[in-house]
Amino acid sequence: KAGVTQTPRYLIKTRGQQVTLSCSPISGHRSVSWYQQTPGQGLQFLFEYFSETQRNKGNFPGRFSGRQFSNSRSEMNVSTLELGDSALYLCASSTGHGGGNTIYFGEGSWLTVV
Amino acid sequence: AQSVTQLGSHVSVSEGALVLLRCNYSSSVPPYLFWYVQYPNQGLQLLLKYTSAATLVKGINGFEAEFKKSETSFHLTKPSAHMSDAAEYFCAVMLNSGGSNYKLTFGKGTLLTVNP
Repeated sequence: KAGVTQTPRYLIKTRGQQVTLSCSPISGHRSVSWYQQTPGQGLQFLFEYFSETQRNKGNFPGRFSGRQFSNSRSEMNVSTLELGDSALYLCASSTGHGGGNTIYFGEGSWLTVV
Repeated sequence: AQSVTQLGSHVSVSEGALVLLRCNYSSSVPPYLFWYVQYPNQGLQLLLKYTSAATLVKGINGFEAEFKKSETSFHLTKPSAHMSDAAEYFCAVMLNSGGSNYKLTFGKGTLLTVNP
């Protein structure tokens, strides 16, 4: 069974640009969540989608957005990139939406903003 | 506010020695607790999780953790460290964030170094 797949793995963008990251969850998983990991702030929750609906959102500015498609695949978008957006962005999936569900992570997308 | 505290940002042990990584949580209700490991340039891999079925939880790679409600702790242990255990370890708590929504909150992580 394939794990959580994220593309691209590495990318470099310029300040002011926008970026779209893609995530394919484990087959059968309907919940997808996104996290940002930086040395200074650690792992921070961005948002969660379940059945194409955003169910939960972290404390990030509106420049960070996401969506989920009918096949559970998800994308996140960051507009007007800032240097501080340089981070590892992790996608995770689980079967359901609720406490106790095991969350499985992908390898991440490394974003560098220059 | 719910939070997770990992004591010690860096732990160094000798190969074959006991590994003890500390995690304390703050929660007014029994939480769901997780330990993840992150190897360099990789994502997070689940080691084990606690969902109230048993206080002693066994995970992969010989790791286990014990839930102690009285101490609000969920420390991770392994009897004998191996060089391949060198990685960063994250404790996480999943709590209800309103309605049927749950959010996973991570500790700052503990970097484990294993010396030959």
